[in-house]
Amino acid sequence: QAGLTQPPSVSRGLRETATFTCTGNSNNVGDQGAAWLQQHQGHPPKLLSYRDNKRPSGISERFSASRSGNTASLTISGLQPEDEADYYCSAWDSSLSVLVFGGGTKLTVL
Amino acid sequence: EVQLVESGGDLVQPGGSLRLSCAASGFTFSDHYIDWVRQAPGKGLEWVGRSRNRAKSYSTEYAASVKGRFTISRDDSKNSLYLQMNSLKVEDTAFYYCARYISGTNFGGFDIWGQGAMVIVSS
Repeated sequence: QAGLTQPPSVSRGLRETATFTCTGNSNNVGDQGAAWLQQHQGHPPKLLSYRDNKRPSGISERFSASRSGNTASLTISGLQPEDEADYYCSAWDSSLSVLVFGGGTKLTVL
Repeated sequence: EVQLVESGGDLVQPGGSLRLSCAASGFTFSDHYIDWVRQAPGKGLEWVGRSRNRAKSYSTEYAASVKGRFTISRDDSKNSLYLQMNSLKVEDTAFYYCARYISGTNFGGFDIWGQGAMVIVSS
């Protein structure tokens, strides 16, 4: 089944801004939008955003998400050491009736 | 406290069967979609399947890689979700998570995750 496309890695400096992209198609991201997850090594994922740009309670305002057409984006501002993690996007594919994940992007904070 | 707790992970031989459980607490279990997501060691997340809520007649969906081998069921009286895995393959080796999905208009994502259960398929 077709997944979503994410760059494998992103590196940014402390207090800088990192942007992650997630490219799908008109049947998944372009149809119902996307959600973003953060996963630290050895821990379950944590929801960062849903319905394109909604932030769950308790998630820092430094995390913001958006969507343009078939591409979803996650931006982290003011990078902190604890932001170093893997970031995954996800969406529902309405043509295949399956949920798809991106391959994940590993963020390194320099 | 809202939480999901998986159990049943084990070492099993190829071709064998295993059933995972996911116990929910702190919320109305029957109102929610609950999915299974797995992660092979050192790899990314892979969706396994979904159990919709009572309003959607508990309908299920499966990833192509497990369709016909895995079955999701639930017992609302026990606030529990199950994943019956048959004809297991080496490539099914992974950490299996259950996760609560935010249903509604547009894609909701998973707001609650369990700690996971490890399944190892090896001879």
